[in-house]
Amino acid sequence: QKEVEQDPGPLSVPEGAIVSLNCTYSNSAFQYFMWYRQYSRKGPELLMYTYSSGNKEDGRFTAQVDKSSKYISLFIRDSQPSDSATYLCAPSNDYKLSFGAGTTVTVRA
Amino acid sequence: DADVTQTPRNRITKTGKRIMLECSQTKGHDRMYWYRQDPGLGLQLIYYSFDVKDINKGEISDGYSVSRQAQAKFSLSLESAIPNQTALYFCATSDTRGTGGRPGELFFGEGSRLTVL
Repeated sequence: QKEVEQDPGPLSVPEGAIVSLNCTYSNSAFQYFMWYRQYSRKGPELLMYTYSSGNKEDGRFTAQVDKSSKYISLFIRDSQPSDSATYLCAPSNDYKLSFGAGTTVTVRA
Repeated sequence: DADVTQTPRNRITKTGKRIMLECSQTKGHDRMYWYRQDPGLGLQLIYYSFDVKDINKGEISDGYSVSRQAQAKFSLSLESAIPNQTALYFCATSDTRGTGGRPGELFFGEGSRLTVL
């Protein structure tokens, strides 16, 4: 079993829709929870960073962590075509990250 | 200029050839990593280096070797390339000294696409 499981997708949504992305993990020692965004032919870039359970908002993006159920979510409100990318969840223990396989999202104009 | 630079960006080679992928960074970070990305598998860690004298194997190190020539340079070698090493390879850096970035945050290069025929 993989240490991090991510909903596989792909997802295709109309502009303005809410996008929900989910991951589960098995290692209870993970302390930091990140979402990376990767555009086609580019390296991943950090999108959201959270520490401990709860919600964190940044503009149209909300990251949610539930450590008791080992569940990580990312919500994108009012999705835009520029949000079309692959999203990777990445829980971390110290300075080693484990990545989910990624979910590719396409937002249709 | 990019903070994390990978060369070459694209390479096509034949089975059995030796290949080196190079990575250099101007971020001043102490830690460097090599990842491999395959469709449906996400990013898998090949090797990581916490400083020049500290090299560690990741999840999928077989068939690969690395060299940390300086704090800013970390190269990945395939001694005898095989077709199932065809993938997108990423170099990444992180900082543990509080000079930039948060714990666990990685900064990636733009990737090196390797095709082994």
